[in-house]
Amino acid sequence: EAQVTQNPRYLITVTGKKLTVTCSQNMNHEYMSWYRQDPGLGLRQIYYSMNVEVTDKGDVPEGYKVSRKEKRNFPLILESPSPNQTSLYFCASRSGTAYNEQFFGPGTRLTVL
Amino acid sequence: AQSVTQLDSQVPVFEEAPVELRCNYSSSVSVYLFWYVQYPNQGLQLLLKYLSGSTLVKGINGFEAEFNKSQTSFHLRKPSVHISDTAEYFCAVGKTSYDKVIFGPGTSLSVIP
Repeated sequence: EAQVTQNPRYLITVTGKKLTVTCSQNMNHEYMSWYRQDPGLGLRQIYYSMNVEVTDKGDVPEGYKVSRKEKRNFPLILESPSPNQTSLYFCASRSGTAYNEQFFGPGTRLTVL
Repeated sequence: AQSVTQLDSQVPVFEEAPVELRCNYSSSVSVYLFWYVQYPNQGLQLLLKYLSGSTLVKGINGFEAEFNKSQTSFHLRKPSVHISDTAEYFCAVGKTSYDKVIFGPGTSLSVIP
């Protein structure tokens, strides 16, 4: 089954404790992206990757890091989480251009205390 | 800069009644448009998209949307809603020459039995 998986689905942590949210897709997509969803703001792009070893900042990259060492994986790293990073996070992937459908993971709900 | 406006943050509607979810975008150049749906506790999935051609686009689950260039709108409609249509709906717009999609803030559709 074609899918995007994220882990963990739920995470409660404390300020300053480094964490990683994993994302993996099995569709051989070149493009992968991380979004955060906040009430009234919709989805805002954090980082994206056009292919292996090619990443770039989205609209709200501060406080986040990413890497793309393999085509299927695109982890999101919070080196020192803060309460304003409490949010619902989605990973997405697509093939080719932005004309194409994005496939989304199920989401990771992160709470930073 | 591009932006997407979804005028209604919440839309309650009775089962079997028609519904229209409004979306307006700001762009002076050619765009492509999407509607995504997010069911409770799930990621987003594509309902329909407009790239070019006929301005009336049909999607899954009986939804359709009409592209109106002069009014820069892409409203989503369904003639008769079902309880299972209760979800968050996101309009998104991408610019032809810019490989990125911007999401609106979302509209929460609640279908009342």
